[in-house]
Amino acid sequence: QSVLTQPPSVSGAPGQRVTISCTGSSSNIGAGYDVHWYQQLPGTAPKLLTYGNINRPSGVPDRFSGSKSGTSASLVITGLQAEDEADYYCQSYDSSLGGSHVFGTGTTVTVL
Amino acid sequence: QLQVRESGPGLVKPSETLSLTCTVSGASISTDYWGWIRQSPGTGLEWIVSIYYSGSTYYNPSLKSRVSISLNTSKNQVSLKMNSVTAADTAVYYCARYDSYYSASGNLYNVYFDLWGRGTLVSVSS
Repeated sequence: QSVLTQPPSVSGAPGQRVTISCTGSSSNIGAGYDVHWYQQLPGTAPKLLTYGNINRPSGVPDRFSGSKSGTSASLVITGLQAEDEADYYCQSYDSSLGGSHVFGTGTTVTVL
Repeated sequence: QLQVRESGPGLVKPSETLSLTCTVSGASISTDYWGWIRQSPGTGLEWIVSIYYSGSTYYNPSLKSRVSISLNTSKNQVSLKMNSVTAADTAVYYCARYDSYYSASGNLYNVYFDLWGRGTLVSVSS
């Protein structure tokens, strides 16, 4: 059972904006730990999408943006494209039970 | 170009030891931080263990008693061993490089995984 909760799925038409939430608690996101996001295309390994809440690695399109507030974080995809159909995971650190890097439950984005 | 590749037996018997190797090319493992992460349908993505180039290690508390990690700098490899495996350890195992930094306040240590291998599927079955 992950301590970071995401909606199982979100969908949108090409060109639309979709938002994926990542809900944590006072022992992880709420404690001030940063949130990072990963994209996993079918049959491939996860790929870093954003880090430090808002930063994008070189090569990641600017239609992907991250934010964090309180005990939650969000990933927004603006101008949704067919190639964005994938699973998305948030990641942070949880200080409870000895401390551990933790991943979210994952969200499947479907482009209609 | 930095590349990471996991290797090891695809099938391990229950109660035996799982041994995986991560071979890094394009850079020295002695200058980076490395970790193992696994993914199964039942538990999603789960961080297992990390190691600094200095040799310092950090374990997921829930797996610590069964896991070990090591560096072989001469072969540029990172190794993972997990003993007493059960069917619950069936998963795709990924090796990943990670970066770390302190928060602006200076008291919280953050880690993100910026380069992943393709992963290797390990099934635990008799």
